[in-house]
Parts: sequence; C-alpha cells; structure tokens
Amino acid sequence: GAVVSQHPSWVICKSGTSVKIECRSLDFQATTMFWYRQFPKQSLMLMATSNEGSKATYEQGVEKDKFLINHASLTLSTLTVTSAHPEDSSFYICSARATGQPQHFGDGTRLSIL
Amino acid sequence: GENVEQHPSTLSVQEGDSAVIKCTYSDSASNYFPWYKQELGKGPQLIIDIRSNVGEKKDQRIAVTLNKTAKHFSLHITETQPEDSAVYFCAASSRYSTLTFGKGTMLLVSP
Repeated sequence: GAVVSQHPSWVICKSGTSVKIECRSLDFQATTMFWYRQFPKQSLMLMATSNEGSKATYEQGVEKDKFLINHASLTLSTLTVTSAHPEDSSFYICSARATGQPQHFGDGTRLSIL
Repeated sequence: GENVEQHPSTLSVQEGDSAVIKCTYSDSASNYFPWYKQELGKGPQLIIDIRSNVGEKKDQRIAVTLNKTAKHFSLHITETQPEDSAVYFCAASSRYSTLTFGKGTMLLVSP
C-alpha cells in the first residue's frame, strides 16, 4: 500500500518552455502533498506544501509564479515549471500523506533544460 | 525551526557487519522520526519510523532507537547486504507536519 506515482520520470526540454509534472497517490487519499527539489549528492529541499482544494504554501525563496502547484483532488497534484531555464534543471520529487500517516514519496522527475 | 544533523556522511562496511547512522535534532516539540532509503535515481522509501512515546522499534534487520532527553535517534542495520547500499536520510517533525531532513548518509556494503 501507500504508492505514489510520479510522471514523467525524465524530461528534456528547451529553455523557455513550461513543463508539467504529475504526482498521484494510487491507493490512498492524500490530504497533503509536498514538492521537493534535490541537487546531486544533497538532501531534499522542500519547495511547497499543498492541501487538497487550497492554495499551496511555498517555502521562502521559492518563486510562486515560477513553480505553479495545483492540488485539485485527493489523488493528484501537479507542479508546472514555467518558462524553464537551465538553472531549473534538477531532480524534483513529490510526496503524499493521508491524515495522520507518514509521507510516501514518488520516484522523482529528472528535469533537464537545454 | 527544526535542525537535524546526521552522521556520518559516508559509511563503508563489509557484508554481514552492522551499520549505525546517528541523527540529532534541535526542536523538543518534534515527536515523529522517520528514516528513508534512497537508491540512485529513485525517490526516498520509508523503511522505519518511530514516535516519541517509544524508545526503540525493530523490523527484521532494521532498528531505530530514540533518546528524547539527548535529542538523539539512530538507525541500526544488522547483517548488512550489498542491496542495503544506498543513501539513508533521517528526518524529524512534530505531529506529522513538515519533515526536516538530515543531509544523508551514503552506505556502501562491500561483498
């Protein structure tokens, strides 16, 4: 149980384009979803927290207009990187949590901006 | 806010040996301490967790201990196997709120 699916697993796109990443909880209802960014050989950096039906709460230093987060249902959250540039290249990971339960992570999306 | 320190950053052991990874936290309000294993190119996988009302928890070859007074918690892996090789992260939070992660430990188990 507690499976979190993230798509795509790898995306390469041109600078200036927007990229959408999906995060789905497959066998539970995720009242809260989280988006992280991870640089090589580093820990996970929380970008934002989203509760179903509410606006996401962004961590300090994370641009809201750059990283658009939507959590429209209890099983789906999306992260859209708008007007992506090479410095946005990174490993993005989502996690989901049911009320009172641990966080479970997706397998991440490796984003490469050319 | 919470601060989690994790040591060592790398740990090399021979197959069959035990491995211990230690973490300290700063916020006395933290009451939930999960451990995650991250393999290369994948997301973190929850392997064991402990709440502050418990001092120790075991699951087969994996155990976690918690010392609330000293604000220390540790992961113990016995009879290590090559497939245990990965990066391990400790984390802390209060009432399942936002997790604060340690910087990770790369565990290498040599056959």
